[in-house]
Amino acid sequence: SQQGEEDPQALSIQEGENATMNCSYKTSINNLQWYRQNSGRGLVHLILIRSNEREKHSGRLRVTLDTSKKSSSLLITASRAADTASYFCATGNFGNEKLTFGTGTRLTIIP
Amino acid sequence: EPEVTQTPSHQVTQMGQEVILRCVPISNHLYFYWYRQILGQKVEFLVSFYNNEISEKSEIFDDQFSVERPDGSNFTLKIRSTKLEDSAMYFCASSEWGSNQPQHFGDGTRLSIL
Repeated sequence: SQQGEEDPQALSIQEGENATMNCSYKTSINNLQWYRQNSGRGLVHLILIRSNEREKHSGRLRVTLDTSKKSSSLLITASRAADTASYFCATGNFGNEKLTFGTGTRLTIIP
Repeated sequence: EPEVTQTPSHQVTQMGQEVILRCVPISNHLYFYWYRQILGQKVEFLVSFYNNEISEKSEIFDDQFSVERPDGSNFTLKIRSTKLEDSAMYFCASSEWGSNQPQHFGDGTRLSIL
């Protein structure tokens, strides 16, 4: 698999349910970031978790990082129709500034 | 909240022509980036820019690409002789510092090469 692969590729849930997306990566990282992209728009930064952190919260978002398994998860609680978007993980490596993006999860919230 | 702005939102150009994509990063940010996203594919890093010079570039960023910060606010990406495969969304981003920082993205320029 390539650096930064999300699963599932697509997820449809009812409004109010929780949505969980996963991201796996291959190389050591400095940080992992999650972004949201609405159709035809730019990437909106959601949360950054550093390699020495295991869990981080921001509002309805909860991100975990397991560096031993090279994986991360994004949990959105109490989903809303406005959460419908594509969600990407992106890894930052030591010694450089570039982000390496995953393939994304397309999340659809059914009202 | 400060944001990254990009112009134009859509650019249509004939193959072989030069194109310049423009970006205004967030004013107190020091690092600037260009990424591109070909339709249906991953977002790919092109180049990072700090202190008026390129700090890192990908294999995609070959001699037909160049970046410039012509004044204190604009950051541009020039493609010298466009090819059909340059058709993509081009995103500009900026961050306060370099690594280990959130990057803030603009809404992108959709480049269509005919």
